Amino acid sequence: GNSVTQMEGPVTLSEEAFLTINCTYTATGYPSLFWYVQYPGEGLQLLLKATKADDKGSNKGFEATYRKETTSFHLEKGSVQVSDSAVYFCALSADRGSTLGRLYFGRGTQLTVWP
Amino acid sequence: DGGITQSPKYLFRKEGQNVTLSCEQNLNHDAMYWYRQDPGQGLRLIYYSQIVNDFQKGDIAEGYSVSREKKESFPLTVTSAQKNPTAFYLCASSILAGVTETQYFGPGTRLLVL
Repeated sequence: GNSVTQMEGPVTLSEEAFLTINCTYTATGYPSLFWYVQYPGEGLQLLLKATKADDKGSNKGFEATYRKETTSFHLEKGSVQVSDSAVYFCALSADRGSTLGRLYFGRGTQLTVWP
Repeated sequence: DGGITQSPKYLFRKEGQNVTLSCEQNLNHDAMYWYRQDPGQGLRLIYYSQIVNDFQKGDIAEGYSVSREKKESFPLTVTSAQKNPTAFYLCASSILAGVTETQYFGPGTRLLVL
């Protein structure tokens, strides 16, 4: 089956620190992988995505590389800001049959950045 | 502006009452989705629709119902059979149901039980 496991939070960092949020997945076939971000009281926004192995998604200083050999899609940022404080969700997209396109989400990781 | 709207922002349900959450999109997307979010549990899929007049159950469909009579609308009804409805409900859509397609989310509706 399809599933996503991501690093449990909360994660607390000082401004300008390096961020890694681990994400591993189990999937049949060739899924796409996504990172979404959720600010308090809001819906989810796409942060970045990768649609095939070895692809790197990037946006707003965040990066993640689709590693098929380790079934991972870890999120990284070299220097976090207070405005990055949010909940981050890793997700995969099913690639076949009646479930085509449905997303499977990890539990989310709360990030708090202090000035 | 194109986007997804959900209403109301907050909804209160009494015991034994059915309530309907609205989801409208003007993005001309074929696929639409409903998720439930509980603290610490991520998002769980309730129902999804790949095309008008068709929908499938997700992982937690019991106690919920949907319709897809128009491309732009995908309302969710929380029935009295849903014993624990308190949660944050998110609607999403994508151009079509495909493995590489991005889902775009609405702002959500928070449902509370009186």
